Amino acid sequence: DADVTQTPRNRITKTGKRIMLECSQTKGHDRMYWYRQDPGLGLRLIYYSFDVKDINKGEISDGYSVSRQAQAKFSLSLESAIPNQTALYFCATSDGGRAGAHNEQFFGPGTRLTVL
Amino acid sequence: QQQVKQSPQSLIVQKGGISIINCAYENTAFDYFPWYQQFPGKGPALLIAIRPDVSEKKEGRFTISFNKSAKQFSLHIMDSQPGDSATYFCAASMRGAQKLVFGQGTRLTINP
Repeated sequence: DADVTQTPRNRITKTGKRIMLECSQTKGHDRMYWYRQDPGLGLRLIYYSFDVKDINKGEISDGYSVSRQAQAKFSLSLESAIPNQTALYFCATSDGGRAGAHNEQFFGPGTRLTVL
Repeated sequence: QQQVKQSPQSLIVQKGGISIINCAYENTAFDYFPWYQQFPGKGPALLIAIRPDVSEKKEGRFTISFNKSAKQFSLHIMDSQPGDSATYFCAASMRGAQKLVFGQGTRLTINP
């Protein structure tokens, strides 16, 4: 079984619709992240959370919101989808570990979102 | 602005050759430099990482070379194999930040 799962894996929606992407993990990690991947732009951080009560904006948070429902669940919402939000979205997790330590991030399989 | 710049965007190498991907950064506070490998339809996965107190790290056929004064680091894949065909991302982070800044990615194709 996958340690980091994302649903749905593919989604086509229309401009103006609300959409939620979900991420669940069984790794027991405290830290969770949402990225989007676009050709030529790499992976860009949307939001991240270091525990259930902690939510932080990343470099491209406009147009997105998140909810950390539990340690294992972190959802990304697009309140009113627009075509330039068409991208591949990844959830990732990492262990809190020692303070100041750099810890490996584990990525889910991704959600391909198309906004028409 | 892109804090980590990666080149080339795509690379084709013959089987058995050496693949080289380069990255440059501006922020001297970065102190951790990982490389992630992504196969089609999969999420990225950590391949190898280096800290700036060493100039080179080798794991099997994969080597990171690090030049602190030039603020550059590169991934070398020796004896490249078709199974190495993937997208590679360099990244950087600062101590305590627990956030990664990624480069633009390089699509590597190894021809048999």
